[in-house]
Amino acid sequence: GAGVSQTPSNKVTEKGKYVELRCDPISGHTALYWYRQSLGQGPEFLIYFQGTGAADDSGLPNDRFFAVRPEGSVSTLKIQRTERGDSAVYLCASSLGGGSSNEQFFGPGTRLTVL
Amino acid sequence: GDSVTQMEGPVTLSEEAFLTINCTYTATGYPSLFWYVQYPGEGLQLLLKATKADDKGSNKGFEATYRKETTSFHLEKGSVQVSDSAVYFCALTTDSWGKLQFGAGTQVVVTP
Repeated sequence: GAGVSQTPSNKVTEKGKYVELRCDPISGHTALYWYRQSLGQGPEFLIYFQGTGAADDSGLPNDRFFAVRPEGSVSTLKIQRTERGDSAVYLCASSLGGGSSNEQFFGPGTRLTVL
Repeated sequence: GDSVTQMEGPVTLSEEAFLTINCTYTATGYPSLFWYVQYPGEGLQLLLKATKADDKGSNKGFEATYRKETTSFHLEKGSVQVSDSAVYFCALTTDSWGKLQFGAGTQVVVTP
């Protein structure tokens, strides 16, 4: 079956612009996570959705970052006034129900480059 | 806060050699521990996990044992193949929602 998909695979933008990154989780997975992976580092947690609601957004670095999941399926990560330090690979993962007992399945990521 | 420390790479070894990647952690409470693998050009995949002390996770010839006394979860494989070349990430969660804390990753290169 289809795994987690993310679009676009690559995004190049200019400093100060607005970007949207999309995640399509595995069908039926209620839990969705966003992580950010900088070069040479492990992924860092950004936000977690259970259904439509953001249960934990403690990893969002500042108020330029926002994410939504209006129908409990597709999620969009939105970054306003992008900065060069936002350049990273943004990963999305989904799991059947959240928690440590449910495996997280990761998408291929969106590589964001801010010039 | 919680953290994961793993040995730096790259680790370069010959086919059929023994592989160990060290991972230690700091956590409040009782974490679940994971090893994820990222093959070239592919997304992160769960390799194995352990949820309580002395549990051993295993998959594809890889093993790791949850050692609470040494706060470690070292990854081992007895005989590596070229196809094991990848970046390996140690991770933990203490969170009821399962958010993961990752180490920096260790690149493994296996030569024929």
